[in-house]
Amino acid sequence: GQNIDQPTEMTATEGAIVQINCTYQTSGFNGLFWYQQHAGEAPTFLSYNVLDGLEEKGRFSSFLSRSKGYSYLLLKELQMKDSASYLCAVPNAGKSTFGDGTTLTVKP
Amino acid sequence: NAGVMQNPRHLVRRRGQEARLRCSPMKGHSHVYWYRQLPEEGLKFMVYLQKENIIDESGMPKERFSAEFPKEGPSILRIQQVVRGDSAAYFCASSPPTESYGYTFGSGTRLTVV
Repeated sequence: GQNIDQPTEMTATEGAIVQINCTYQTSGFNGLFWYQQHAGEAPTFLSYNVLDGLEEKGRFSSFLSRSKGYSYLLLKELQMKDSASYLCAVPNAGKSTFGDGTTLTVKP
Repeated sequence: NAGVMQNPRHLVRRRGQEARLRCSPMKGHSHVYWYRQLPEEGLKFMVYLQKENIIDESGMPKERFSAEFPKEGPSILRIQQVVRGDSAAYFCASSPPTESYGYTFGSGTRLTVV
């Protein structure tokens, strides 16, 4: 089976850096996704990691350690619009299992 | 190039009625997934379909819920005899066969059972 853990809530200040962690246990590993979901909206794809290391994409970066079952999403130069829920997801047998999400609140 | 189209956006049903939720995948995507999201909770997998085939329905309640993805037309999630506990946001997502592209989600259908 799949088990995914993320912190429920985080708060950070505009302009700062925040790291959102995700740990997972899976019966097989086919990569890890991060999605962003604003309140009342659909999730949108942010990143996909299948190899260990850091993938950078503008202000957002995602890190994976397969041996530790661990990933994080790093958000730099936070903006107010980054206030959202961030979902970690692990695909297996064609479908993805999602964590419950981390609600990030960015304050001025 | 339209994304994943879901309709209706909002649906109100009385207890005991039927709810039909529609999803047209993104052009070129052959895989469709339905997820349910309760308020303040995460996305829970319901069913994974390809054209004319149910690949995995392990997340579907055993009764009252069914899904299809016919050769022609949208995917349909059908909930019979709705109860208050069915009130949730239902998201459809689609993807190409390659997992690394991730999902493209529709805007969701907010079902309210009164």
